[in-house]
Amino acid sequence: AQRVTQPEKLLSVFKGAPVELKCNYSYSGSPELFWYVQYSRQRLQLLLRHISRESIKGFTADLNKGETSFHLKKPFAQEEDSAMYYCALSVDTGGFKTIFGAGTRLFVKA
Amino acid sequence: DTGVSQDPRHKITKRGQNVTFRCDPISEHNRLYWYRQTLGQGPEFLTYFQNEAQLEKSRLLSDRFSAERPKGSFSTLEIQRTEQGDSAMYLCASNPGAGEKLFFGSGTQLSVL
Repeated sequence: AQRVTQPEKLLSVFKGAPVELKCNYSYSGSPELFWYVQYSRQRLQLLLRHISRESIKGFTADLNKGETSFHLKKPFAQEEDSAMYYCALSVDTGGFKTIFGAGTRLFVKA
Repeated sequence: DTGVSQDPRHKITKRGQNVTFRCDPISEHNRLYWYRQTLGQGPEFLTYFQNEAQLEKSRLLSDRFSAERPKGSFSTLEIQRTEQGDSAMYLCASNPGAGEKLFFGSGTQLSVL
């Protein structure tokens, strides 16, 4: 069965510290992975996707097929990074749908 | 407005009543999705449409839930005989094609008393 696991519900770091939000997936097909973010009082929006291999707001994520992971990283956290982060996997079930992990709340302390 | 819009933003109803939510996707997007989100959880897939065709419905979804997208534009999600366990945020999203990023609406918060 397809599944996305985010083991940490809450991650608290100090401003300027590195941050890593963990994501593991289970899927027998070729994975298409995303990170979505929800800032306070805003709608859920895309942060980045693995196929783009780009850095958004200083965040990067590398797909590791061997470990079935797609961890989100940033070398120096900023207060404005405080938000809910969801890892998501697009799966082909005859069409394509996206399934989400439970999310990790990142809190960056001043 | 070029974003996904949902109506209403909030709905309070009594157990046993029927409720209907509306979603207007981004106009050029042919795919539309419904998700449900409860506190502390990520969005849970409910169903999705490609144009007017409903291509998949979650097996976890009760028969009390039905969704339509009659002309391939806006969609409605109806919950019949609501139960307290239906209380959640109902999210709509759209995208232009398979595997593309999702654009979300602000959601409809349902409270069943």
